[in-house]
Amino acid sequence: GQNIDQPTEMTATEGAIVQINCTYQTSGFNGLFWYQQHAGEAPTFLSYNVLDGLEEKGRFSSFLSRSKGYSYLLLKELQMKDSASYLCAVGSGGYQKVTFGIGTKLQVIP
Amino acid sequence: DTGVSQDPRHKITKRGQNVTFRCDPISEHNRLYWYRQTLGQGPEFLTYFQNEAQLEKSRLLSDRFSAERPKGSFSTLEIQRTEQGDSAMYLCASSQRGARDTEAFFGQGTRLTVV
Repeated sequence: GQNIDQPTEMTATEGAIVQINCTYQTSGFNGLFWYQQHAGEAPTFLSYNVLDGLEEKGRFSSFLSRSKGYSYLLLKELQMKDSASYLCAVGSGGYQKVTFGIGTKLQVIP
Repeated sequence: DTGVSQDPRHKITKRGQNVTFRCDPISEHNRLYWYRQTLGQGPEFLTYFQNEAQLEKSRLLSDRFSAERPKGSFSTLEIQRTEQGDSAMYLCASSQRGARDTEAFFGQGTRLTVV
């Protein structure tokens, strides 16, 4: 089965940088996703890491270490609209089953 | 095609009634997922289709739950004899299997309230 751990809540200041960590244990690992979910809305895709290393996309970056079963999402120049839940998810198996963690609720304060 | 579409957006039903939800995936996507999400939790995997074949079904799904994707396009999720514990957001997602697997795109969900 899959086991995905991430902090349940974080608070950060507008304009700052925040790092959201995710650890996972899974068989048949294909890649790791990060999704953003605002309250009452559907999750929206942020990133997908297949290989080790850092991938940067604007203010958001995602890192993966497959050997350590570890990923993080880095958000720079935080804005109030970044207040949301950030979901770590693992794709696994030949059919790409996508399993989600509990999500990290990020609150950005002025 | 503007994305994954789910219908209805909201459903209130009395305990014991049957409900059916529909999901229309992005047209070229052959993979379709159903998830259930309760407040403060991440989406929980329910079941998965590749084309019309249901390849995996979570142990969370009791025999009151059934899902179909008869022609490999839209899918339905039926819950029989609903219970209050079934109240949740039911999310559908689709993706395309290819040389590089794509991310799953989510619909807006169907919020079920069992009273």
